[in-house]
Amino acid sequence: KAGVTQTPRYLIKTRGQQVTLSCSPISGHRSVSWYQQTPGQGLQFLFEYFSETQRNKGNFPGRFSGRQFSNSRSEMNVSTLELGDSALYLCASSRLSGRENEQFFGPGTRLTVL
Amino acid sequence: SQQGEEDPQALSIQEGENATMNCSYKTSINNLQWYRQNSGRGLVHLILIRSNEREKHSGRLRVTLDTSKKSSSLLITASRAADTASYFCATANAGGTSYGKLTFGQGTILTVHP
Repeated sequence: KAGVTQTPRYLIKTRGQQVTLSCSPISGHRSVSWYQQTPGQGLQFLFEYFSETQRNKGNFPGRFSGRQFSNSRSEMNVSTLELGDSALYLCASSRLSGRENEQFFGPGTRLTVL
Repeated sequence: SQQGEEDPQALSIQEGENATMNCSYKTSINNLQWYRQNSGRGLVHLILIRSNEREKHSGRLRVTLDTSKKSSSLLITASRAADTASYFCATANAGGTSYGKLTFGQGTILTVHP
């Protein structure tokens, strides 16, 4: 079974731009969660989607948004990029509830904001 | 914010030795999961232990959970150079609307010398 895939793997943007990251979960998984990893803050939860509905959101500004499609693929968008948004963005998929099941992570998208 | 602490922050051992990492957390949990990350790549799921379990094994890995002390430990036996990585514990909170949110510790950097 193919793992979680994320595209693109690397991205360089400038301040003020926006970016869209994509995540394809493991086949049959319905829950997708997003995390931001930085050296200073570590791994922080952004949001979780299940059956196209956002079920939980972390403590991030409204510039961070996401959505999930009917095939469970998910995208996250960051608008008006800031230097501090430079990070590794990881998505994770889970079969049903992300709380009760293992979450499997993709390789991540490394975003650099100049 | 991080759920808890991981101890030690860094661990350096020789091949063949055992490595023990500890994790403490603050709230009631549904389960606790351990992950490995190699050099800024994606997270690899190692093991999930539920709140009603006390010990779990998977190959060379042994995880214990003490919910009364809100702590867990990961033991890697007969370590190999390939085990060199960062190890994270992550908790899924019980109840409420936490759904798929995992809260991560800051990680332990393990270096295994050949």
